[in-house]
Amino acid sequence: GNSVTQMEGPVTLSEEAFLTINCTYTATGYPSLFWYVQYPGEGLQLLLKATKADDKGSNKGFEATYRKETTSFHLEKGSVQVSDSAVYFCALSYRGGTASKLTFGTGTRLQVTL
Amino acid sequence: DTEVTQTPKHLVMGMTNKKSLKCEQHMGHRAMYWYKQKAKKPPELMFVYSYEKLSINESVPSRFSPECPNSSLLNLHLHALQPEDSALYLCASSHRTSGSTDTQYFGPGTRLTVL
Repeated sequence: GNSVTQMEGPVTLSEEAFLTINCTYTATGYPSLFWYVQYPGEGLQLLLKATKADDKGSNKGFEATYRKETTSFHLEKGSVQVSDSAVYFCALSYRGGTASKLTFGTGTRLQVTL
Repeated sequence: DTEVTQTPKHLVMGMTNKKSLKCEQHMGHRAMYWYKQKAKKPPELMFVYSYEKLSINESVPSRFSPECPNSSLLNLHLHALQPEDSALYLCASSHRTSGSTDTQYFGPGTRLTVL
């Protein structure tokens, strides 16, 4: 079946540090890959996505590359800010009957301090 | 615009109450979803509507009753809930394109507390 594995959190960084959150997946076929972010007390926001191998998704300084050979979609940012503190979910999308279904990772909490 | 709206933002109800959660989108999306999210967990899919028809029910108890009155609206009717049903309820929508490239956009959620 499909699954997503994310690194355990929390990840604690100082402001302006480099961020990597690891995400690997297991899937049949050719899923699309997503990163969603959830700020405290809010819903999920789409951060970035990639729909095929070697695609790079990017948004707000965050990047992730769809690596089919390593089944990975690691999230990176060169310089984090306190406002990036949130929970980050890696997810894959696959066709489930007549609609797409998302499989989420467990989420990684990021805490950025001054 | 990729906005999905949900009302109410917070809801407290007793186990004998009947209440409804509402979700609305005006992006022309033809698939709409209900998720349940417990604290420190990822969202769990409950229901999917595709072209206003119930497409997926993930074995959700009958005390949760979804309804899709039209392509822009999605309701979740609640009756005789249990305290363990307390959670954040998220609505999402997508274009319902073929294959796996469909992107789901989430609303801000309704925080439900069952006393």
